[in-house]
Amino acid sequence: GAVVSQHPSRVICKSGTSVKIECRSLDFQATTMFWYRQFPKKSLMLMATSNEGSKATYEQGVEKDKFLINHASLTLSTLTVTSAHPEDSSFYICSARDLADSGFFGPGTRLTVL
Amino acid sequence: AQKITQTQPGMFVQEKEAVTLDCTYDTSDPSYGLFWYKQPSSGEMIFLIYQGSYDQQNATEGRYSLNFQKARKSANLVISASQLGDSAMYFCAMREGLLGANNLFFGTGTRLTVIP
Repeated sequence: GAVVSQHPSRVICKSGTSVKIECRSLDFQATTMFWYRQFPKKSLMLMATSNEGSKATYEQGVEKDKFLINHASLTLSTLTVTSAHPEDSSFYICSARDLADSGFFGPGTRLTVL
Repeated sequence: AQKITQTQPGMFVQEKEAVTLDCTYDTSDPSYGLFWYKQPSSGEMIFLIYQGSYDQQNATEGRYSLNFQKARKSANLVISASQLGDSAMYFCAMREGLLGANNLFFGTGTRLTVIP
């Protein structure tokens, strides 16, 4: 079945540094990828939608300059948290949608900013 | 082994009828939580309902109820009185352990189409 991977699975960084998270669709072409941030009380907040070759569409309240999203190919999207702060510590999940409009989720990345 | 299995890629239901979306899970952890999310075409994930492994009663939230059968490791979502706006992808998910730090494992989803 379709697989979406995320790398790294866990990352700890110092405040002020930047962290890049990769989301890959391993055996299908993902025309659209979504990035979510998971909050402790169950909810997943959609941060942005990225389509291959075009600029990401950010949800209201999500800082574009802080959360840089690049969808350079049909199998790779990256989320870069720039100048990370402790409040950015969270669980980030990507989802990739294939041509049949099926969605597959990555395993998530736990970011801890010290 | 898959942590979460949703065997129905697509489901159709007549408006105002009830529909059950299947979900089975696999874990050896006695503590876990089960979630259902709705994903419209916009991509946002809408939390619908939660069931903890130690909860004695099936969770209900408005028109949504979770048919929790622990021995069978199933957590089916029941939507009553379907509405056209219920047409969306539905994902079942599980978190092992009761701490918020653990990953969510998602199923592959079921696309529900409500027919007028």
